[in-house]
Amino acid sequence: GENVEQHPSTLSVQEGDSAVIKCTYSDSASNYFPWYKQELGKGPQLIIDIRSNVGEKKDQRIAVTLNKTAKHFSLHITETQPEDSAVYFCAASILGSTLTFGKGTMLLVSP
Amino acid sequence: EAGVVQSPRYKIIEKKQPVAFWCNPISGHNTLYWYLQNLGQGPELLIRYENEEAVDDSQLPKDRFSAERLKGVDSTLKIQPAELGDSAVYLCASSLPSGVDTQYFGPGTRLTVL
Repeated sequence: GENVEQHPSTLSVQEGDSAVIKCTYSDSASNYFPWYKQELGKGPQLIIDIRSNVGEKKDQRIAVTLNKTAKHFSLHITETQPEDSAVYFCAASILGSTLTFGKGTMLLVSP
Repeated sequence: EAGVVQSPRYKIIEKKQPVAFWCNPISGHNTLYWYLQNLGQGPELLIRYENEEAVDDSQLPKDRFSAERLKGVDSTLKIQPAELGDSAVYLCASSLPSGVDTQYFGPGTRLTVL
């Protein structure tokens, strides 16, 4: 089955800096890669996703890049703000199949 | 648009007692998922429904866990009897039919087994 590795497990940045979280996956057939943000006491919320037919996708301060050859994808957050502090999860799946999640990255943005 | 609704939000029980969790998905979402999330970990799928049919329950511990989704809308996840190791957050998610994979999660039920 699919295995998703995520790092770092914790990331501390100053407000205004950029943050990068990286994930690798094992199943070359995977073609859907979402990122979720989970705040304390809440369920994960989708922030951006990418499908294997594109290499990069942006949404305001958030971007995701995908390298299918190397089987890794990354989340980039620019101009970080304190409200970006949360746990971020990457996931991978074959479209229409079960998502496999990474173990999460706790992002702390200090004012 | 209302999101995924789960209840209760918190539950504390003694070991060996039964417990049930309820989920109401987003209207029109025929795919429903139950996940288990241990502290410091990502969600792990327990069961996935397409309408009333459980299409992936390979990770559901069937000796003590059961789930149902009557009429293809609401779903209930049950544990009987609960064990100490079942303490975790139980998340429900829903999505449009397979092929459109955006999953929307509810707030979860935090279970504590004493």
